[in-house]
Amino acid sequence: QQQVKQSPQSLIVQKGGISIINCAYENTAFDYFPWYQQFPGKGPALLIAIRPDVSEKKEGRFTISFNKSAKQFSLHIMDSQPGDSATYFCAARNGGSQGNLIFGKGTKLSVKP
Amino acid sequence: DAGVIQSPRHEVTEMGQEVTLRCKPISGHDYLFWYRQTMMRGLELLIYFNNNVPIDDSGMPEDRFSAKMPNASFSTLKIQPSEPRDSAVYFCASSFSADATQYFGPGTRLLVL
Repeated sequence: QQQVKQSPQSLIVQKGGISIINCAYENTAFDYFPWYQQFPGKGPALLIAIRPDVSEKKEGRFTISFNKSAKQFSLHIMDSQPGDSATYFCAARNGGSQGNLIFGKGTKLSVKP
Repeated sequence: DAGVIQSPRHEVTEMGQEVTLRCKPISGHDYLFWYRQTMMRGLELLIYFNNNVPIDDSGMPEDRFSAKMPNASFSTLKIQPSEPRDSAVYFCASSFSADATQYFGPGTRLLVL
């Protein structure tokens, strides 16, 4: 119940296309859903996050869509660029766990020029 | 601020040796997290501290692993004795509060031969 399931494992998109990464969870106590971006040789960095009281959050080309009833959330990258090539992790936090994040397994995104 | 600082960045050691990984969190951050990243298991939380006190060490794989935080600006993760299956990238992260963004360090890439 503590898992966050992420798909796909890898994704290849053409420059200018839309990249979509999906995550699903079971634990209804999760109250915070961040996405992290990781470049090779670097640590993950927060990209965008959402709380379950809203269904969508947009920051530039990055949008999180959140479906509370389905317990699913997804990251959409519009107008994907080669510089977006990285590994993306979704995560979830249990509101009662003092900050403990549960991460998905990651999606390696390659944007072809 | 320089961000989360980890040392060493790379470590190669032989099976049976003691390994010590070091982390300096961002000044003023009360939470410190140790993660392990492998291809098979993704990002796993090993242990986290609040105000230098270990809160949850349920992710520590076995007694060979230990972590300390003697003060607000320094933490260590020790593996003794090390085994080849401990080979991974170990990340330290810190956050201002339980529900604040976690900032990751650059990681320590450990190879146990």
